[in-house]
Amino acid sequence: QSALTQPASVSGSPGQSITISCTGTTSDIATYDFVSWYQQHPGKAPKLLIFDVNNRPSGVSTRFSGSKSGNTASLTISGLQAEDEADYFCSSFTTTDTFYVFGTGTEVTVL
Amino acid sequence: EVQLVQSGAEVKKPGESLRISCQGSGYSFSSNWISWVRQVPGKGLEWIGRIDPSDSYTNYSPSFQGHVTISADKSSSTAYLQWRSLKASDTAIYYCARRVGIRWYFDLWGRGTLVAVSS
Repeated sequence: QSALTQPASVSGSPGQSITISCTGTTSDIATYDFVSWYQQHPGKAPKLLIFDVNNRPSGVSTRFSGSKSGNTASLTISGLQAEDEADYFCSSFTTTDTFYVFGTGTEVTVL
Repeated sequence: EVQLVQSGAEVKKPGESLRISCQGSGYSFSSNWISWVRQVPGKGLEWIGRIDPSDSYTNYSPSFQGHVTISADKSSSTAYLQWRSLKASDTAIYYCARRVGIRWYFDLWGRGTLVAVSS
């Protein structure tokens, strides 16, 4: 299974906005609005942040937002806070030989 | 509380068998697919496969097909991931995750089970 492509790391200062990209193919992101994003702190389980491209589950901060253009989805974190320092993974439904494909993961550092 | 509780860390030798578990509570276990996801330390997430607990129908990623078996016991609200012969390359954290209805994302994750395989 080929992973979705994310930048290895993104950093920003407190209060700034950062954007994490997630690039896929016509088998996944380009064709389907089934992109989700997860936050994972060290030693913890992933936590759902965004589903279906741009929807937030109840309880997730409005500082997290999602979007999609063509074969690339994006997660934007606005008003960056120290607690946002974590790994972030995108995921999408795929019509390849698995139902789900995950991104390579992005480490977010708050300077 | 709605949660998925996974079994504890395991240390095994190559060639040994293993079964790890994921017990759901606080919701109707048969109503949602359970997927298993692998994370090699320091690496990304990989989807292994899924089971529908209502009928035990499974799908596997080709990367894992034939090497692992996913099963479920409705009566105990537990899903399992099993190996007959472990390899050192199976060393990873394994998560179970709940699919939301007929949607394509996971809203609930277990805390993970570390499987270490070494001679």
